[in-house]
Amino acid sequence: QLVLTQSPSASASLGASVKLTCTLSSGHSSYAIAWHQQQPEKGPRYLMKLNSDGSHSKGDGIPDRFSGSSSGAERYLTISSLQSEDEADYYCQTWGTDIQVFGGGTKLTVL
Amino acid sequence: EVQLVESGGGLVKPGGSLRLSCAASGFTFSNAWMSWVRQAPGKGLEWVGRIKSKSDGGTTDYAAPVKGRFTISRDDSKNTLYLQMNSLKSEDTAVYYCTTPPGLGIWGQGTMVTVSS
Repeated sequence: QLVLTQSPSASASLGASVKLTCTLSSGHSSYAIAWHQQQPEKGPRYLMKLNSDGSHSKGDGIPDRFSGSSSGAERYLTISSLQSEDEADYYCQTWGTDIQVFGGGTKLTVL
Repeated sequence: EVQLVESGGGLVKPGGSLRLSCAASGFTFSNAWMSWVRQAPGKGLEWVGRIKSKSDGGTTDYAAPVKGRFTISRDDSKNTLYLQMNSLKSEDTAVYYCTTPPGLGIWGQGTMVTVSS
């Protein structure tokens, strides 16, 4: 069964860096994922598509502060030089032949 | 401007029906596989279903909770995606978004559907 697991919450200080993790279920470590950001009271915003080899393609206008990487079944979103507007929910998404799946989301607090 | 605009949300009684629309602009809609995603109040994102482009067969897939009740269709001449929702339940209450696949990465602003008596 295709499942994505995310920690419910994370926090980091203004100006620091944070690395969010999304874990693919067993047998699905080769899958690509996408990362999306949802700021409070707003709709989701596409950040990037991240492949199993760590290569990624970002959406239009996404700052260089956002980057992705991969290791085995883990997919990471790193945000550097944290700003107040980065406080948001972050969702990973993947897809199979006839299904799409979202992780439960990570609520990022910028201290 | 690349854009998706949903409409058609509202208040409906349990067992009722509603049709949502999603108007696309700024990209080649006919080539895009399109999805509906929903978000219940205070909850995370949930995939509802997807329709492939007609050139890829135009077939649909649905999440288990909506299979047999919801139908996704598209009118490429109008650059519009639809979601027909029948036999609505209280647990279908959510903001409904249309979206393109990752890579294109476009989200609409969402339309609220409330199922309540």
